[in-house]
Amino acid sequence: QVQLQESGPGLVRASETLSLTCSVSGDSMRSYYWGWIRQPPGKGLEWIGYIYYSGSTNYNPSLKSRVTISIDTSKKQYSLKLNSVTAADTAVYYCARDRGNWGLDHWGHGTLVTVSS
Amino acid sequence: QPVLTQPPSASGTPGQRVAISCSGSSSNIGSNTVNWYQQLPGTAPKLLIYDTNQRPSGVPDRFSASKSGTSASLAISGLQSEDEADYYCAAWNDGLDGPVFGGGTKLTVL
Repeated sequence: QVQLQESGPGLVRASETLSLTCSVSGDSMRSYYWGWIRQPPGKGLEWIGYIYYSGSTNYNPSLKSRVTISIDTSKKQYSLKLNSVTAADTAVYYCARDRGNWGLDHWGHGTLVTVSS
Repeated sequence: QPVLTQPPSASGTPGQRVAISCSGSSSNIGSNTVNWYQQLPGTAPKLLIYDTNQRPSGVPDRFSASKSGTSASLAISGLQSEDEADYYCAAWNDGLDGPVFGGGTKLTVL
């Protein structure tokens, strides 16, 4: 059973860079897409982007100018960087295995990132 | 604003059948499959339905879903107190080449 776990700072200063890592266990990263989704407090889900195991990426246009997702299959990890953060980026950030049309079938527990002014 | 439209709330009593709607467009629901997620309080979302009407292993058959045109629906029969959660629909969006979500429906079991 594949498991995902987010890690990274829970507090980031405004205008700085949010950095999170997702560690994958229980299955190979090969042949899958790996995504990031966020949820502001009390609000709905927003797709951030995904990366294929080979390294190709796709991002939500609303965040594209500030987002970078990278992958290290040897460590079974992938990472999210979001720069120039503001209070609007305060959210629970989830990593999840993305099966495209078949949905996000395995999720991490999520990590709350608060942007301080 | 969410791309897919869901009612913000729904409710029912134990044993009842409840349906939650999800409306989209030809770029998402109209041309792709629909997935549904259940988010229990304080937890991560869980894939409840994929490929419009398929249940992952372990999901009770009380949960069913369907799609017609640019709209989809999730039905829960034999409602139980543990079904109280937020439910999100999602679909791949062709222009985005990524998933779009509904705003979520908070289900209350009275």
